[in-house]
Amino acid sequence: DIVMTQSPLSLPVTLGQPASISCRSSQSLVHTDGNTYLNWFQQRPGQSPRRLIYKVSNRDSGVPDRFSGSGSGTDFTLRISRVEAEDVGVYYCMQGSDWPTFGQGTRLEIK
Amino acid sequence: EVQLVASGGTLIQPGGSLRLSCAASGFTLSNFGMNWVRQAPGKGLECVSHIGIRGNIYYADSVKGRFTNSRDNARNSLYLQMNSLRDEDTAMYYCVREEPGAFDYWGQGTLVTVSS
Repeated sequence: DIVMTQSPLSLPVTLGQPASISCRSSQSLVHTDGNTYLNWFQQRPGQSPRRLIYKVSNRDSGVPDRFSGSGSGTDFTLRISRVEAEDVGVYYCMQGSDWPTFGQGTRLEIK
Repeated sequence: EVQLVASGGTLIQPGGSLRLSCAASGFTLSNFGMNWVRQAPGKGLECVSHIGIRGNIYYADSVKGRFTNSRDNARNSLYLQMNSLRDEDTAMYYCVREEPGAFDYWGQGTLVTVSS
């Protein structure tokens, strides 16, 4: 299985400041169909995960534009331009190019 | 509106069996791949089974031979038959819709606790 490695695992951020989460895969996520199936999810306390970003950089409907995704091959990043209180939770990257696997999760908290 | 409502989770003894259900609404289940994803208490996410549009089914090694994934198109529902349950199967179980390469809708989850 493809191993997904996130860093940092804990991310204390001051309100209004930017935040960045890295996700690296153990092999390239470029699928034979040419797409790169790297997704980002947010899980708020007590809730189910919610998808934010699909295929590296496509933001889901209703997701604030302060969230953005980038990267290619094996190296990907989720950025939040200005953290708000509602962003508290755990963020997971997930690859769907092979059997689906998730990163360990990054816990974002407000300093 | 897409909805996925999972049910069937409970406290069960090791070695026991349980059947989880997931009722879908707002879309036709047979037109999408569907997955069961679990999350042990305080832990990360693990995909345990996938059923494709053509009915092809895959399992994680951790549950292969013990869990059976199935779909009832007439009821627009997904099921997970779980046998020979172990302590390490304790988790919240989510049914999740899939568009190619990405999970787009998650149900609210149903909690399975395996303990004597």
